[in-house]
Amino acid sequence: AQRVTQPEKLLSVFKGAPVELKCNYSYSGSPELFWYVQYSRQRLQLLLRHISRESIKGFTADLNKGETSFHLKKPFAQEEDSAMYYCALRGTGRRALTFGSGTRLQVQP
Amino acid sequence: SAVISQKPSRDICQRGTSLTIQCQVDSQVTMMFWYRQQPGQSLTLIATANQGSEATYESGFVIDKFPISRPNLTFSTLTVSNMSPEDSSIYLCSATGSDTEAFFGQGTRLTVV
Repeated sequence: AQRVTQPEKLLSVFKGAPVELKCNYSYSGSPELFWYVQYSRQRLQLLLRHISRESIKGFTADLNKGETSFHLKKPFAQEEDSAMYYCALRGTGRRALTFGSGTRLQVQP
Repeated sequence: SAVISQKPSRDICQRGTSLTIQCQVDSQVTMMFWYRQQPGQSLTLIATANQGSEATYESGFVIDKFPISRPNLTFSTLTVSNMSPEDSSIYLCSATGSDTEAFFGQGTRLTVV
């Protein structure tokens, strides 16, 4: 079975502060990991995926297979980063995603 | 990239009735899926919509309650049958293409009264 855990329902930080949204997964094989973001009144959209190893909007995430984690980080939060963030996993041979419960990020001025 | 149009965007329905949600993708995609997001919860996969054949349902979801069609590569429907208040949720259509990125519709917010 595959599972994605996001322990924080809400993360509130001030503008300019570092942000780390936690994601841990459970999967016996080699998964693909993703972060999706949903801004207010917008649809869910891909933020980044581990195979790309890229930085999007200042966010990065590194897959740590030893700790089975894929935490999302940004050194300096901006107010426009306020949104709902979902960590998701795709197992080998599957195209559907398994989502975590989501973390709402609030960046205060 | 793919743009997914889903309709209706929201509806309020009487218990015991059925609602059909439509999902149209603007480009050819490989896979189409239907998810449910109950209030305050994450997205749960209902089923994979297979072109020209029966959908593949996840545990806890059955064809009689959630019949799905996919007559071609870019269109699918999900019907929520014999609705009860517990079916009040956001229903999301998703599609993936060859590069495996998943795209999502804007969702259908269903309220059953």
